[in-house]
Amino acid sequence: EAQVTQNPRYLITVTGKKLTVTCSQNMNHEYMSWYRQDPGLGLRQIYYSMNVEVTDKGDVPEGYKVSRKEKRNFPLILESPSPNQTSLYFCASRPGLAGQLEQYFGPGTRLTVT
Amino acid sequence: QKEVEQDPGPLSVPEGAIVSLNCTYSNSAFQYFMWYRQYSRKGPELLMYTYSSGNKEDGRFTAQVDKSSKYISLFIRDSQPSDSATYLCAMSVGRGGSNYKLTFGKGTLLTVNP
Repeated sequence: EAQVTQNPRYLITVTGKKLTVTCSQNMNHEYMSWYRQDPGLGLRQIYYSMNVEVTDKGDVPEGYKVSRKEKRNFPLILESPSPNQTSLYFCASRPGLAGQLEQYFGPGTRLTVT
Repeated sequence: QKEVEQDPGPLSVPEGAIVSLNCTYSNSAFQYFMWYRQYSRKGPELLMYTYSSGNKEDGRFTAQVDKSSKYISLFIRDSQPSDSATYLCAMSVGRGGSNYKLTFGKGTLLTVNP
């Protein structure tokens, strides 16, 4: 089954404790992206990657890091999480640089930072 | 002024009603217009997209774009309880490379009552 998977789905952590949210897709997509979704603010892009070893900042990159060492994986790293990073996070992927418009979203990771 | 404005609702209608969901935008460079549906505790999924002014129909759903007014709409005919979800509009300047960046509206929460 073609899908985007994220782990963990739920995470409660404390301020300053480094964490990684993993994202993996099995569709051989070049383009991958991370979003956060907050009430009243909607979906905002954090980082995106157009291919292996090619990443760029989205609208709200502060406090986040990403890496793209393999085509299928695009982990999101919070080096020192803070309470304002409490949010619902989505990973998404799509094929090609000039390909179809549809992005496929993962199921989401709900992160709480206390 | 935000690039994309969408009334968050909530919108509650009886089963069988015609639903109208709307977004306005300020960036005249947007060329591609999408509607995503997001069920509770799920990631968004693409419902429809269009890249020209006018109407596009898919079953009970019609997407309408008026570029002169910078206004897009999604109509749902004969609404069903299974249509209850959050509907997000999304737009991009292009369909490839960095031009693909999606700008989302905040989403409208729709409930269709049996």
